[in-house]
Amino acid sequence: KAGVTQTPRYLIKTRGQQVTLSCSPISGHRSVSWYQQTPGQGLQFLFEYFSETQRNKGNFPGRFSGRQFSNSRSEMNVSTLELGDSALYLCASSLEASPNTEAFFGQGTRLTVV
Amino acid sequence: AQKVTQAQTEISVVEKEDVTLDCVYETRDTTYYLFWYKQPPSGELVFLIRRNSFDEQNEISGRYSWNFQKSTSSFNFTITASQVVDSAVYFCALSDSNYQLIWGAGTKLIIKP
Repeated sequence: KAGVTQTPRYLIKTRGQQVTLSCSPISGHRSVSWYQQTPGQGLQFLFEYFSETQRNKGNFPGRFSGRQFSNSRSEMNVSTLELGDSALYLCASSLEASPNTEAFFGQGTRLTVV
Repeated sequence: AQKVTQAQTEISVVEKEDVTLDCVYETRDTTYYLFWYKQPPSGELVFLIRRNSFDEQNEISGRYSWNFQKSTSSFNFTITASQVVDSAVYFCALSDSNYQLIWGAGTKLIIKP
């Protein structure tokens, strides 16, 4: 079965612009989580969606937002981009919103802000 | 506070050597989950193991083994007879009571032929 698909794979944006990243989870998975990975801060949790509802949110400013659609696909949006937003953004999907289920990760979207 | 420490930033060994990656965690929760993930150069995180706080049995899967010790808050990962394909960044993570994954900084493992 198809894995987690993230689009686009690479993105270059200018400071001040906004960006939308997309994540298609594995078919049948209802939970989608987003993570930011940078060399300085490592992997940090952004937010998690389950059945179209945001269940948890990490410690990120309001410029970072997301949503989940009825087909479980998720998008995250970053507005007013800053240089520090340059990172690998990873999406993970799992059957349920529980640590007792395995999370499958996509290959990520590498965002560069110039 | 919840925290995961992977003190080894980078480890380099020659193929066929055994190697242990250390993971120490901090949590006040009595129920928690610990994970190991592998991140090859392609970027995606590959799930290796999940262990809940009530199961201290060590686990072996092929050349991989994990040693969970609550007394020392450690969840170490050993690769026996390492291979070049094992080269990757390995992350240890802790799931808190909100099911958020808290990640260690990762250990870059280099296996030289």
